[in-house]
Amino acid sequence: GAGVSQSPRYKVAKRGQDVALRCDPISGHVSLFWYQQALGQGPEFLTYFQNEAQLDKSGLPSDRFFAERPEGSVSTLKIQRTQQEDSAVYLCASSIGTGLSEQYFGPGTRLTVT
Amino acid sequence: GQNIDQPTEMTATEGAIVQINCTYQTSGFNGLFWYQQHAGEAPTFLSYNVLDGLEEKGRFSSFLSRSKGYSYLLLKELQMKDSASYLCAVRDSLQAGTALIFGKGTTLSVSS
Repeated sequence: GAGVSQSPRYKVAKRGQDVALRCDPISGHVSLFWYQQALGQGPEFLTYFQNEAQLDKSGLPSDRFFAERPEGSVSTLKIQRTQQEDSAVYLCASSIGTGLSEQYFGPGTRLTVT
Repeated sequence: GQNIDQPTEMTATEGAIVQINCTYQTSGFNGLFWYQQHAGEAPTFLSYNVLDGLEEKGRFSSFLSRSKGYSYLLLKELQMKDSASYLCAVRDSLQAGTALIFGKGTTLSVSS
């Protein structure tokens, strides 16, 4: 596709429900990042994939958060037993290389936990 | 620790010039980025500085001083469509997979 796409764009979940957020990076991009953006804040790093390998998950806030990229393209961020503090926009970004290349962001998924 | 500071809000009028400042304290430095983010949309890349000095790109320019841990984004001939949040971000390492460290963003409101 022309850019990074994410789905759904909006998700409302009741506290305790599990959610899955999808990211389709730009075709051929090796690197994929997930960020969390709370209201009025800048994006904060969650996890990084290089192809299918999850090389850094230091930003995941708890073991309720899980991410995968099994074939090195599409990625899914899963949040189990959602809590109100998980409400945020979840942004995905991809870049063509592994080092200095620019990150291209998707539009994000706005998650609201009620 | 890692810290990036920028003003929360700024206002300006159409046709004016505005300067958005950013100061950073990070464990390392390998480039500073400016992104524009309209409400509900993806951050889009505006500029990148890794060496000291001014980078100019049309109506937008960005300046970096590594010794002072300081950058600014200069927007000229402001238009209503420039109303957005402007994010300053630092990459602190050359390692593969280094994520960007973002400031909280500066919300710019342009009025007629």
